[in-house]
Amino acid sequence: AQSVTQLGSHVSVSEGALVLLRCNYSSSVPPYLFWYVQYPNQGLQLLLKYTSAATLVKGINGFEAEFKKSETSFHLTKPSAHMSDAAEYFCAVSPAGGTSYGKLTFGQGTILTVHP
Amino acid sequence: ETGVTQTPRHLVMGMTNKKSLKCEQHLGHNAMYWYKQSAKKPLELMFVYNFKEQTENNSVPSRFSPECPNSSHLFLHLHTLQPEDSALYLCASSQESVTGGGGYTFGSGTRLTVV
Repeated sequence: AQSVTQLGSHVSVSEGALVLLRCNYSSSVPPYLFWYVQYPNQGLQLLLKYTSAATLVKGINGFEAEFKKSETSFHLTKPSAHMSDAAEYFCAVSPAGGTSYGKLTFGQGTILTVHP
Repeated sequence: ETGVTQTPRHLVMGMTNKKSLKCEQHLGHNAMYWYKQSAKKPLELMFVYNFKEQTENNSVPSRFSPECPNSSHLFLHLHTLQPEDSALYLCASSQESVTGGGGYTFGSGTRLTVV
């Protein structure tokens, strides 16, 4: 069984400030982890993924995330927020190895607001 | 055209209507998915197809009927829907293998309103 918990349904930051979106996972097998972003009235776009290579993963738009097995976490960060980062962010987990059809489990999402 | 394309983008239908949502992927992926996204609720997986065969149906009411004629096309046939079925319906595809980890590519969704 696997699950994802995103701490904080809403995060608000000022433009230029650090962005930190928290994700903790639970998985009975080693996981793959993903962050997706969703802009209003759009589908989800993959930001980055961890698939058991480097634990620090760099994605698009200046985002990165670090896999910490001891903390079962995969938090998303960006050093300096831009207004265009305002969106909803989803963390997701799937089992590593084996067929993973339909086994991507999503968190509840975190809405990021960026203030001027 | 590349990626995952969903049509229509918006749909308003009455409770007695029959309509279909269409999804097409041009990525050569072997798995396709339907998700429902309602306000203030997590993404709900509805159906999974791999190599055109349905492998998962998450207790979805029979008023939703999926069809996957080939690995590039996926439909969701709708009939006698309820107002609570109003949501954003997202299609996704992935290339699955024994190593997994491919991630999904999503379409832009169909915003469905049932009146």
